[in-house]
Amino acid sequence: NAGVTQTPKFRVLKTGQSMTLLCAQDMNHEYMYWYRQDPGMGLRLIHYSVGEGTTAKGEVPDGYNVSRLKKQNFLLGLESAAPSQTSVYFCASSPDDNEQFFGPGTRLTVL
Amino acid sequence: RKEVEQDPGPFNVPEGATVAFNCTYSNSASQSFFWYRQDCRKEPKLLMSVYSSGNEDGRFTAQLNRASQYISLLIRDSKLSDSATYLCVVNGPYKYIFGTGTRLKVLA
Repeated sequence: NAGVTQTPKFRVLKTGQSMTLLCAQDMNHEYMYWYRQDPGMGLRLIHYSVGEGTTAKGEVPDGYNVSRLKKQNFLLGLESAAPSQTSVYFCASSPDDNEQFFGPGTRLTVL
Repeated sequence: RKEVEQDPGPFNVPEGATVAFNCTYSNSASQSFFWYRQDCRKEPKLLMSVYSSGNEDGRFTAQLNRASQYISLLIRDSKLSDSATYLCVVNGPYKYIFGTGTRLKVLA
């Protein structure tokens, strides 16, 4: 099992550009989450999903959209990137909304 | 008050030492508590869940004190490989709230 994978690993964007981060899990987990991690701050939840076709807002959802069209994939979109979105993005999945399994992260820089 | 607070450290301890971290939380309705470990530039990984009765896993012991609203992590006989950042996680209004982490450096 690959576990949780994230694509891409690194990306540099210019302000105003758009991009999609892909998270995939092969553990048949119902729950999936997107977090961002910034220096001096804990991981903060952006959006999450409790199953295929469902999404919900987390603590910091503004500027991001998500989709869960297939159970194994959770996409995070930035429609118009801003420098404040420079961060490390982690995806996670969970079978039961308790233990979370994290992907390796995506380092995003917005210039 | 932050929802979850941790001493950022670093805690520098010699190999073999015992070290303890505390984490305070503000939401008295929280029901789920965890300790995660995060190595530098890596993803967090679950170290242990924290139960009301406390739990132990080898050299690691976790305790919950609901009255004072904190959880603790005790590491005995520290190893060099224990050097990492330890994240406290508590369930809150937005699923889970992560602390900023406590850095541990175990010195040879």
